[in-house]
Amino acid sequence: GENVEQHPSTLSVQEGDSAVIKCTYSDSASNYFPWYKQELGKGPQLIIDIRSNVGEKKDQRIAVTLNKTAKHFSLHITETQPEDSAVYFCAARGRDDKIIFGKGTRLHILP
Amino acid sequence: GAGVSQSPSNKVTEKGKDVELRCDPISGHTALYWYRQSLGQGLEFLIYFQGNSAPDKSGLPSDRFSAERTGGSVSTLTIQRTQQEDSAVYLCASSRGTKNTEAFFGQGTRLTVV
Repeated sequence: GENVEQHPSTLSVQEGDSAVIKCTYSDSASNYFPWYKQELGKGPQLIIDIRSNVGEKKDQRIAVTLNKTAKHFSLHITETQPEDSAVYFCAARGRDDKIIFGKGTRLHILP
Repeated sequence: GAGVSQSPSNKVTEKGKDVELRCDPISGHTALYWYRQSLGQGLEFLIYFQGNSAPDKSGLPSDRFSAERTGGSVSTLTIQRTQQEDSAVYLCASSRGTKNTEAFFGQGTRLTVV
């Protein structure tokens, strides 16, 4: 089955700087890659997703890139703000349709 | 409903007791997932339902865990003879079920076994 690795586990960036979180996956048949943000005491919420027929997708300050050959994808947050502090999860949907998550990245935005 | 609803939001139970956790998916969503999140950890896949197909139970950690989905809608996750290591937040998600569609999460049930 699918296996997703996520790095780093913790990331601290100065407010206004960029943050990058990287993930790799194992199932070459995976074709859907969502990113979720989880705030304390809440369920994860989708912030952006990418499908395997595109290499990059942007939504305001958030962008995701996908390299299917290398089986890795990344989340980029630019001009970080205090409200970006949260735990971020990458995920992949494999050939068996299960959505498998990485272990998460705790992002701290420093004032 | 407007979103995925889980109940109860919190559950404290004594070791050895059975518990049932409920998930009401978004109306019309044919896919339903259960995950477990231990304190400060990631989302561990437990079970996946898709329409009338047999569920994928490959993530259930032991035979004390079971889940069912009645009428293709509401799902119940049952943990028998609870143990302290079962303490976690149990999250449910649903999606339209077609390929590559967003999964929406509920707020979770925080289970504490004492």
